[in-house]
Amino acid sequence: QKEVEQNSGPLSVPEGAIASLNCTYSDRGSQSFFWYRQYSGKSPELIMFIYSNGDKEDGRFTAQLNKASQYVSLLIRDSQPSDSATYLCAVREDNDMRFGAGTRLTVKP
Amino acid sequence: EPEVTQTPSHQVTQMGQEVILRCVPISNHLYFYWYRQILGQKVEFLVSFYNNEISEKSEIFDDQFSVERPDGSNFTLKIRSTKLEDSAMYFCASSYSRTDTQYFGPGTRLTVL
Repeated sequence: QKEVEQNSGPLSVPEGAIASLNCTYSDRGSQSFFWYRQYSGKSPELIMFIYSNGDKEDGRFTAQLNKASQYVSLLIRDSQPSDSATYLCAVREDNDMRFGAGTRLTVKP
Repeated sequence: EPEVTQTPSHQVTQMGQEVILRCVPISNHLYFYWYRQILGQKVEFLVSFYNNEISEKSEIFDDQFSVERPDGSNFTLKIRSTKLEDSAMYFCASSYSRTDTQYFGPGTRLTVL
């Protein structure tokens, strides 16, 4: 059974702090990794994707991938109240994309 | 910016009835997907579709489910005889290639009474 695990939270950080979200996956054949943000009652919205080991930065967001440890993370710098949402880690092998249960992040003003 | 659209936004049906959920993928995308999310649970992959046939499906996608691309723009999910446990948010997604990012539609909330 291919699993994607996330700490469900809630994770609470003050405005301006760094939020760190973590995800582990079980399938070593996984090829690509995604972070989606989902507001309550809304559809997942892509934040970042990463394919190679290391860091990938996009504005306030940094994704980190370590395939040897089967671990992917998302850092959000200068967190804003509008970042409050559930963050979904998704892992894909071929056409099969599996989601974690999501981590609920709350950024307090 | 192009986006995936879905209709209806909310569908209420009686148990045992058939429902068809509709999606219009992004126009130049070639791969299409259905996912579902039961309230409070994770997003679950149902099926992927390419070149007018199913390319992969999950264990959830049993004989009650079918997908179709009836014309050049629509992509549909049919549930033949709905059960209470089919109540969920159903998301359509599309991508240009197999390895490209998938973009999600706004979802259809299906309520089975």
